Amino acid sequence: AQSVTQLDSHVSVSEGTPVLLRCNYSSSYSPSLFWYVQHPNKGLQLLLKYTSAATLVKGINGFEAEFKKSETSFHLTKPSAHMSDAAEYFCVVSGGYNKLIFGAGTRLAVHP
Amino acid sequence: EPEVTQTPSHQVTQMGQEVILRCVPISNHLYFYWYRQILGQKVEFLVSFYNNEISEKSEIFDDQFSVERPDGSNFTLKIRSTKLEDSAMYFCASSEWGRTEAFFGQGTRLTVV
Repeated sequence: AQSVTQLDSHVSVSEGTPVLLRCNYSSSYSPSLFWYVQHPNKGLQLLLKYTSAATLVKGINGFEAEFKKSETSFHLTKPSAHMSDAAEYFCVVSGGYNKLIFGAGTRLAVHP
Repeated sequence: EPEVTQTPSHQVTQMGQEVILRCVPISNHLYFYWYRQILGQKVEFLVSFYNNEISEKSEIFDDQFSVERPDGSNFTLKIRSTKLEDSAMYFCASSEWGRTEAFFGQGTRLTVV
């Protein structure tokens, strides 16, 4: 069965410093992996997706993620945090064409 | 940019009442979904719908729930005899045929009192 584990429930960074949000996955086959972001009182927005092409995936707003099969990881990074990045981030694995399986989420706080 | 729209954004209902949550998926998408997020918990899959029938459903999606595509644009989730524990944010999503990523609406916050 597919699952994801987000290793940090909360991450706090200063504006202008790098962001690292960690995610490990478990999958019985080659997975499709995603990061979604949820800003306060907003819906879920797709940040980026990995579907077995390039292992380094670039997304919107300067975020990127690297698929590492040997480590079963799909960590999300950004070189320089902005105040507007404060939100909840979800690592997600596809459970087939019919559903997505969400991690518990990581709340990112960005302080001046 | 096309988007999934949900109405209403907030719904308050009394325990035991029926509610219908409405969604307009992206027009060329063929797969439709409902997810829910109870406050402080994970986003959970409820049901997927393709070709006018349920393609997969979770254990949560019992006889209390039903989905329908009443016309060519709307996709609805009906919850019969609501319970306090049905209070949650309900997200509608849609995806293209052959694609695994889904696009989500803004959600409907359901409060059962």
